[in-house]
Amino acid sequence: EPEVTQTPSHQVTQMGQEVILRCVPISNHLYFYWYRQILGQKVEFLVSFYNNEISEKSEIFDDQFSVERPDGSNFTLKIRSTKLEDSAMYFCASTSGTAQFFGPGTRLTVL
Amino acid sequence: SQQGEEDPQALSIQEGENATMNCSYKTSINNLQWYRQNSGRGLVHLILIRSNEREKHSGRLRVTLDTSKKSSSLLITASRAADTASYFCATDPTGTASKLTFGTGTRLQVTL
Repeated sequence: EPEVTQTPSHQVTQMGQEVILRCVPISNHLYFYWYRQILGQKVEFLVSFYNNEISEKSEIFDDQFSVERPDGSNFTLKIRSTKLEDSAMYFCASTSGTAQFFGPGTRLTVL
Repeated sequence: SQQGEEDPQALSIQEGENATMNCSYKTSINNLQWYRQNSGRGLVHLILIRSNEREKHSGRLRVTLDTSKKSSSLLITASRAADTASYFCATDPTGTASKLTFGTGTRLQVTL
């Protein structure tokens, strides 16, 4: 069964450093998302992406964040200058229309 | 309450018993989806119910939706220890690949 994959599974970085989180969505899906979950809290929407552009973004998704689909399979989330409060689990998701399928997540720890 | 709140927050049952989790939401929806999350792991899609559906089944799962009350319930029958996880509802307002709004989750513990 096709699934969303994410790398790395765990990323540790120093405050102020740039990180890139990578995702490979399900191959025939056209809509891609990033969500995050701070430890013990709700899963929060960050951004959605369709047809090579952002279709919606949340207030969390400020100028420090960017997304890219550099080729036909990868979907990346870049955080330019990480802050302590960016520490969270980041989930990529994709859909062909309704049900969204999530990857296993990348745990980002900012020190 | 916020969009997508589950109750109870935590539920502990014995293997073989049924587990019922409830989700309430505030705004109109196109569909509602239930997910399972094992501790520290990813979200597994369980079932989707559309606003024009009242009940849906998938294996040991039964989901109901009452749009007049803006609530949904997830029933897991004949629970197993492997069902131990957090369960979240997520609402989709338009059904056109829009963002999901997640609830606070119910932590289910199934003991032997």
